Parts: sequence; structure tokens; C-alpha cells
Amino acid sequence: SQQGEEDPQALSIQEGENATMNCSYKTSINNLQWYRQNSGRGLVHLILIRSNEREKHSGRLRVTLDTSKKSSSLLITASRAADTASYFCATDWGGFKTIFGAGTRLFVKA
Amino acid sequence: SAVISQKPSRDICQRGTSLTIQCQVDSQVTMMFWYRQQPGQSLTLIATANQGSEATYESGFVIDKFPISRPNLTFSTLTVSNLSPEDSSIYLCSVTTGNTEAFFGQGTRLTVV
Repeated sequence: SQQGEEDPQALSIQEGENATMNCSYKTSINNLQWYRQNSGRGLVHLILIRSNEREKHSGRLRVTLDTSKKSSSLLITASRAADTASYFCATDWGGFKTIFGAGTRLFVKA
Repeated sequence: SAVISQKPSRDICQRGTSLTIQCQVDSQVTMMFWYRQQPGQSLTLIATANQGSEATYESGFVIDKFPISRPNLTFSTLTVSNLSPEDSSIYLCSVTTGNTEAFFGQGTRLTVV
């Protein structure tokens, strides 16, 4: 299976703290994406980082990519209760399929 | 970008019956993808649907259980056949447009009773 691994599986923090989620994958990629999914709802695309990029920012989100270690991290700064959701990394496989990691469940306590 | 309309949004089906899910894209795309998300789990790719050819299924998924049609470049259907409670999941269709993000329909929540 090409599915990557994410850790932690679950993360509980206080509002205002930073949340860091990690993702590892198995093969060479063209890009890596992060998605958010609120309970029972559709996927929201957060950020895409290409294989030739090492870091990318979007608002309170910071994504890093280390292709030598086949890993990525998503940092959410100054978390809010509304950030409570599941977060998934996803990689392109074979240049066209999108394969998802197992996901991290984030709970931000108000 | 791509806008995907997926229907039905949810359904409750009896064991042994089938459900067909439709996915309509607002632009022509070469490949469409079908995913399953079991309760509390991540998305698992079921198959890749190409127009004019049979779908390509991932390990653990077979055509008899998940027949797929792809009659043109903007439309696809996934049928989940001979339903059992274990098929209760969210099913999502998706497209990509080159080296960009994947776009998803809102999903179909299937409950089998």
C-alpha cells in the first residue's frame, strides 16, 4: 500500500497553542497536500507543497517537506477551537493517483 | 479548478440491494477517482475511472462489487452491489487537473440496514 503514516493519531491542545502533525510516505512524489475534514463533512484543501519546495506558508499554516526523509509536517499556530478536525496528508502516486495518510485527529479545547 | 456534484448526498439501503452514486464534473477530465472512507478512517482509493476503458481497481476492490461507468469526460458512476452493513461508509469521487490539488465531491454517506 502506498498509504503514508501520520503521527500523532490524535492530538489534544489548548486554544492558543501550536499543533504539529507529521506525515511520512513511501515513494518519490511530485507534490504533497494537506487536507482538513470536519466531522461528517467534506474535505477542505489546505495547502500543496511541490517536491522542489522545502517550506510553505498559508495564514496560520506552515508546511515543511523533506524529500530525503520522505516526510512532511503541518504546523498550525495559535490554534482555535474551530481548528478541531481531522487532518490528512496526501501524496500523488504514479503521477496521477492521490493517496491519503491515516490522518491526525486534532482537538482544540477552548 | 474543478467543481464536482455528487449525488445522492446520503442514502439508507437494505442489505442485498445496490446503490449507484453519480459524479458530475464541470470540466472535462481524463481520470476520475472513487474513494471509500469507513467510519473514523482515512480515504482509501477504490478505483481509477478512465473514459472509454475499464476502471482500474486497487488491491482489495473488485469490479463485481464496485462496478464503475465512465461514459464521457465529465461523468462517472460507482455502484456498490450486494450491500452489507460493512459497506456503510462515505464514498467520494475526485478529480485532479495536472500537478495540482485533488478536488472532491461532497461525498455520499451510505448506511446499510
